[in-house]
Amino acid sequence: EIVLTQSPGTLSLSPGERATLSCRASQSVSSTYLAWFHQKPGQAPRLLIYGASSRATGIPDRFSGSGSGTDFTLTISRLEPEDFAMYYCHQYGTSPLTFGQGTRLEIK
Amino acid sequence: QVQLVQSGAEVKKPGASVKVSCKASGYTFTDYYIHWVRQAPGQGLEWMGWINPNSGGTKYAQKFQGSVTVTSDTSISTAYMEVNRLRFDDTAVYFCTRGEVAAGLEYWGQGTLVTVSS
Repeated sequence: EIVLTQSPGTLSLSPGERATLSCRASQSVSSTYLAWFHQKPGQAPRLLIYGASSRATGIPDRFSGSGSGTDFTLTISRLEPEDFAMYYCHQYGTSPLTFGQGTRLEIK
Repeated sequence: QVQLVQSGAEVKKPGASVKVSCKASGYTFTDYYIHWVRQAPGQGLEWMGWINPNSGGTKYAQKFQGSVTVTSDTSISTAYMEVNRLRFDDTAVYFCTRGEVAAGLEYWGQGTLVTVSS
């Protein structure tokens, strides 16, 4: 199975700052099938990015995704208070579908 | 609008079974796969399997082969996920989510907490 490793484990930033989250795969992932979610406590995950770089419906343009092969990045250009949450990368091109272990984005 | 509404929380004893439902609305149920993902307390997301409601075909993560069964009833646009022989470490929130080829898992149910306790 494709193992996704996210870094850092925890990212402490202030509102207005730029966040860069990384996701590294154990083998090549088709860019078409790499997604990012965020999740707040007690809620279901929310899809932010699919196909490595396409924003999901209703997602503001401060969120952007990039990368290919085994290295992918989620960038949040200017953090808003509601952006502080857990973030997961996810590959859905190869069975079994897998998720990274998550990056906690917390307020500094 | 697309909605997935899951059944309520359950408390079960070890060795018992639990069946969680996921009712879909706002789209043609047979046009999209339904996936199941679980999340143990304080842990990450774990994919369990999917069903194609159009054909009834299923696929499971190896870990869940033999202990999890996913079914659907197209007459009421509802998918089901049954876990047999529950163990304490099956305590988790179970999510259903709609799968799309391009966008992946865009729509999610609210989650169902299953607690395994003696």
